[in-house]
Amino acid sequence: DVKVTQSSRYLVKRTGEKVFLECVQDMDHENMFWYRQDPGLGLRLIYFSYDVKMKEKGDIPEGYSVSREKKERFSLILESASTNQTSMYLCASSQNGEAGYEQYFGPGTRLTVT
Amino acid sequence: AQTVTQSQPEMSVQEAETVTLSCTYDTSESDYYLFWYKQPPSRQMILVIRQEAYKQQNATENRFSVNFQKAAKSFSLKISDSQLGDAAMYFCAYRRYSGAGSYQLTFGKGTKLSVIP
Repeated sequence: DVKVTQSSRYLVKRTGEKVFLECVQDMDHENMFWYRQDPGLGLRLIYFSYDVKMKEKGDIPEGYSVSREKKERFSLILESASTNQTSMYLCASSQNGEAGYEQYFGPGTRLTVT
Repeated sequence: AQTVTQSQPEMSVQEAETVTLSCTYDTSESDYYLFWYKQPPSRQMILVIRQEAYKQQNATENRFSVNFQKAAKSFSLKISDSQLGDAAMYFCAYRRYSGAGSYQLTFGKGTKLSVIP
């Protein structure tokens, strides 16, 4: 079974703090993704990575950065957290290739910025 | 740009009945994949079903099936014999190529399905 884990289920941070969200997958997937999920907006892609040290901006990268130093680990960084970054953050991973490989999701981190 | 539209924010169904969730998308590509994902309350998102666009036959997975209308760009999900465990948010997603052999998903805003005992 593919397993995608996220470091925290719930996190409360103060405005201006630097926040790290960690994601680990155990299936040797090339691709990893960070989404934020907000009611009525669905899932929006923040960043993704198709290889170690590679990263690509998604649809809403502003205010975020990422790091992928090892294949199994993908970190999302909020350099200076703001209240409008209060959200559910989902990590996912998938294989590379043309076949319709699914994305496997972690349980999510609910981040509250006060 | 590809967009995915789910026009039903919420739906409900009686247990054992059938329900259909709607999804439309916009694309200029001829071959692509579409997915339905399920997110139960406080649980992880999981894949329900996938459809490759060049395949004429509609995908089925047990009680879940799709009605894929390529010309109309419509991809609805039918759940037969609904069960209490089907209560969840359902997301429709379109897969697009993002380079270097990788693909990303564009999601709709979701439909919250309630199952009434």
